[in-house]
Amino acid sequence: AQSVTQLDSQVPVFEEAPVELRCNYSSSVSVYLFWYVQYPNQGLQLLLKYLSGSTLVKGINGFEAEFNKSQTSFHLRKPSVHISDTAEYFCAVSKYNTDKLIFGTGTRLQVFP
Amino acid sequence: ETGVTQSPTHLIKTRGQQVTLRCSSQSGHNTVSWYQQALGQGPQFIFQYYREEENGRGNFPPRFSGLQFPNYSSELNVNALELDDSALYLCASFFTGGGHYGYTFGSGTRLTVV
Repeated sequence: AQSVTQLDSQVPVFEEAPVELRCNYSSSVSVYLFWYVQYPNQGLQLLLKYLSGSTLVKGINGFEAEFNKSQTSFHLRKPSVHISDTAEYFCAVSKYNTDKLIFGTGTRLQVFP
Repeated sequence: ETGVTQSPTHLIKTRGQQVTLRCSSQSGHNTVSWYQQALGQGPQFIFQYYREEENGRGNFPPRFSGLQFPNYSSELNVNALELDDSALYLCASFFTGGGHYGYTFGSGTRLTVV
């Protein structure tokens, strides 16, 4: 069975600073990896995904993530955050394209002016 | 507009009642999944439908049931509501095309059980 661990429940950061949100997964098979963002009172929006190929994945809003198979990690990064990036971020895995998504517990990114 | 529409946006029900939540997606979205997101938690998979047949289920009791219709809409039904059923319920449909690949989520239905 797959599982996802998001190591930080909250990450406070000042505007224009870099940020990294950590995600580790556990699986006995190859997986697809995703990062979603959830703004208050809204659904989930896909930031980026890793299916195969290059381990550095670029997504929307300036975010990127790096797949590290040996460390079973998929950390999300942004070089300079904005106030508008304040939201909940979820890492997720699936075994194949239409398989169910297994989510982590989320990381609350709080950007301060 | 994500292409996945859920209704209603908010709902208040009494313990023991039954509720039906609805999801509408676009043509070609053959796979639809439902998730429950309790406050402060990540979404938990309830079940999935493909071409009107259930083809996957999470760790939820039988009082959680669903339907998918030929017009790409679907329903989540919950019987004998319990207080712990209070959550945000998310519908997601799988779609490929126009550079998009993967699940698209609706904005959710916030269910409160009192």
